[in-house]
Amino acid sequence: GAVVSQHPSWVICKSGTSVKIECRSLDFQATTMFWYRQFPKQSLMLMATSNEGSKATYEQGVEKDKFLINHASLTLSTLTVTSAHPEDSSFYICSAALGTGNTIYFGEGSWLTVV
Amino acid sequence: GENVEQHPSTLSVQEGDSAVIKCTYSDSASNYFPWYKQELGKGPQLIIDIRSNVGEKKDQRIAVTLNKTAKHFSLHITETQPEDSAVYFCAASRDRAGGTSYGKLTFGQGTILTVHP
Repeated sequence: GAVVSQHPSWVICKSGTSVKIECRSLDFQATTMFWYRQFPKQSLMLMATSNEGSKATYEQGVEKDKFLINHASLTLSTLTVTSAHPEDSSFYICSAALGTGNTIYFGEGSWLTVV
Repeated sequence: GENVEQHPSTLSVQEGDSAVIKCTYSDSASNYFPWYKQELGKGPQLIIDIRSNVGEKKDQRIAVTLNKTAKHFSLHITETQPEDSAVYFCAASRDRAGGTSYGKLTFGQGTILTVHP
């Protein structure tokens, strides 16, 4: 299947700082990428839809000024958690849509711990 | 919006037995139904998917069935192995014709599958 890569796999940051997570589609172009958040033993919660060259579409209840999403190219989307707090600690996962269908492939996820 | 219900939440089987996980969805416009396997600390891995123009699809030990009328779909794993142990998620979405909902997956709650040697 198609490969979606996330970086970093895990990151620890101090409260009040910002951290950026990258999502890349390695062997295909993705006009649409998605960012999810997952708490332990729970399902995936969609945060936003990232569209190349345009603003992201955020789900209800997700603070767009806190979770900045940029989709600068057909293979890269970034999520920046600004002014991070301990409650932002979570597993963040991106996914990308392949081709004209809607087959979705996921990255390996990024563990964020805010101390 | 779409709502996906998944059952059971946990499933324990002996190696070699079959495992079945069932999901129901609410949006009749949904037409794409993937299944993902998630191992601890990793991202979901697509294992099989089915589109609404197909009733059944099989890939080696894994099969998925879809009943559009009843709005439910199921994952079947035969000859289970310990390495099949993981959390399995079903999901539903619309294709591009669904407009802004394209590619937005709605996930079930997940099933923790444990295969005992």
